[in-house]
Amino acid sequence: EVQLVESGGGLVQPGGSLRLSCAASGFTFSSYEMNWVRQAPGKGLEWVSYISSSGSTIYYADSVKGRFTISRDNAKNSLYLQMNSLRAEDTAVYYCARGEHSFDPWGQGTLVTVSS
Amino acid sequence: DIQMTQSPSSLSASVGDRVTITCQASQDISNYLNWYQQKPGKAPKLLIYDASNLETGVPSRFSGSGSGTDFTFTISSLQPEDIATYYCQQYDNLITFGQGTRLEIK
Repeated sequence: EVQLVESGGGLVQPGGSLRLSCAASGFTFSSYEMNWVRQAPGKGLEWVSYISSSGSTIYYADSVKGRFTISRDNAKNSLYLQMNSLRAEDTAVYYCARGEHSFDPWGQGTLVTVSS
Repeated sequence: DIQMTQSPSSLSASVGDRVTITCQASQDISNYLNWYQQKPGKAPKLLIYDASNLETGVPSRFSGSGSGTDFTFTISSLQPEDIATYYCQQYDNLITFGQGTRLEIK
């Protein structure tokens, strides 16, 4: 079964850092592009970042550029999102999702709360 | 940046009704558009890709059409399990989602 499982969310103070992980199973992780997408409480979906299958091509949304870093370890079938200089507006459920243009599947999400 | 405008933002319909949601892009995106369904407390699920192609396993009552800037998502006969929020998503230039359409049963 194709599965994505996020972890690493939690409560962090403004200006703090957090690292999210996404563990992939049931498919050849190294062959697929991956993304992070977030959803603030009661709000819509916002794409955050993309990484190619090899990790050589990376894109970010303007809202996180310079603060977030996407990476992957194909040997460990894992995707990461390093989040620095966190702000209240970064509070959201963060999903990892497989695909370059169409996202399928998605993980169950991990909640990040930025608050003092 | 490409903006995606969905309408309506919410919709109430009866079981068996035909339901239509529209999505308008701020510039020509060809057919680079997908539709997702998100049920409460769950992750989104891909329903339609490349504007009109039904994802494997998705019921045939769901369909999509359009190209350029104007797109339509249709449920031909609304079922109780279709209660969800639906999002369009463009991938012509990076990724942008529409603001979502919340579908309720009347």
